[in-house]
Amino acid sequence: GAGVSQSPSNKVTEKGKDVELRCDPISGHTALYWYRQSLGQGLEFLIYFQGNSAPDKSGLPSDRFSAERTGGSVSTLTIQRTQQEDSAVYLCASSPDRGNTIYFGEGSWLTVV
Amino acid sequence: QKEVEQDPGPLSVPEGAIVSLNCTYSNSAFQYFMWYRQYSRKGPELLMYTYSSGNKEDGRFTAQVDKSSKYISLFIRDSQPSDSATYLCAMSGNSGGSNYKLTFGKGTLLTVNP
Repeated sequence: GAGVSQSPSNKVTEKGKDVELRCDPISGHTALYWYRQSLGQGLEFLIYFQGNSAPDKSGLPSDRFSAERTGGSVSTLTIQRTQQEDSAVYLCASSPDRGNTIYFGEGSWLTVV
Repeated sequence: QKEVEQDPGPLSVPEGAIVSLNCTYSNSAFQYFMWYRQYSRKGPELLMYTYSSGNKEDGRFTAQVDKSSKYISLFIRDSQPSDSATYLCAMSGNSGGSNYKLTFGKGTLLTVNP
């Protein structure tokens, strides 16, 4: 497809379980980002990848959150031992290079019960 | 004080009205300014991208940036029901090479009534 693709689109999980969220960026985009959108909080930056490296992980809220990117393409955001406050929309975005216009996917809607 | 302030609305206007959406910010390092449109349960869609101060027009949309006042605006002319969405302002700066990191307003919910 032409846009940023994310899966799953919806995920309901039990508190304490681990979840993996996947992002497939626009082909050729070297920069990839994860943001989180919570009710009443707006969009918050989580992590930035340039190629397979993550020079900025400053937005990850705790050590339960991790992300990786392989082959300069697909990225996975992992949340371990999920908590109810992790319920949010997790948005992936990509851009041709750092600082260029950033395009978002549709998001993965995570609910922790 | 939040880095970016945006009136959450909701804003309700009749079809054909001119809509004005605004954000203020406190970080003088911001140089790149964007407006995104987000439909319900969809991802943000980039509408306008502006560097530094000035105006930019694209069809019915005009973005204005006034860096001296730390104030940005999005105007929508001849508004249509299909414009009903949440509008998010976003900005980034060059400080320390962090122009990739967007800081968002919380969004303004707009409804255009037929």
